[in-house]
Amino acid sequence: EPEVTQTPSHQVTQMGQEVILRCVPISNHLYFYWYRQILGQKVEFLVSFYNNEISEKSEIFDDQFSVERPDGSNFTLKIRSTKLEDSAMYFCASTRQLDYEQYFGPGTRLTVT
Amino acid sequence: SQKIEQNSEALNIQEGKTATLTCNYTNYSPAYLQWYRQDPGRGPVFLLLIRENEKEKRKERLKVTFDTTLKQSLFHITASQPADSATYLCALDTGRRALTFGSGTRLQVQP
Repeated sequence: EPEVTQTPSHQVTQMGQEVILRCVPISNHLYFYWYRQILGQKVEFLVSFYNNEISEKSEIFDDQFSVERPDGSNFTLKIRSTKLEDSAMYFCASTRQLDYEQYFGPGTRLTVT
Repeated sequence: SQKIEQNSEALNIQEGKTATLTCNYTNYSPAYLQWYRQDPGRGPVFLLLIRENEKEKRKERLKVTFDTTLKQSLFHITASQPADSATYLCALDTGRRALTFGSGTRLQVQP
């Protein structure tokens, strides 16, 4: 069964550094998402992406964040200058065009020191 | 402000019994309500979706109800098994595909 994949599984970075988290959504899906989950807290929506542009974003998704679909398979989340509070699990998800259920990847654990 | 509450942080039941989990919401008009399962350190896994004009949906041992007047969804697992032990998340969607998750209920099924 097709799955969403994410790399790396764990990323450690220093405060102020840029990080890029990578995702390969399921191949025939057209909506892509990023969520984050701080340890012990709720899963929080960051951004959705469709037809090569952002369709929705939350208050969390400020100017430090950006998303890109650089080719036909990858979907990336960039954090320009990481802060300690960016430490969290970041999940990518994708959906078929006519559906609403979201298929999540295994996550990337980001640790900012 | 919008609020989603899931009835308890943890629920312990005996194998074979029915688990019932509750999701209540306020200041929200969801077009869809979804239930996900999350295991420790893993991503949420989609279980069921119910639309605002539907009262009940079933899938194998799972059943979800949706009452937009009470602003509540109930999620049932019948004939529960130890393998059902996980955290179950309720998520609301106004149709804009931006899920708002509850904090989850951790279910433990004792053999």
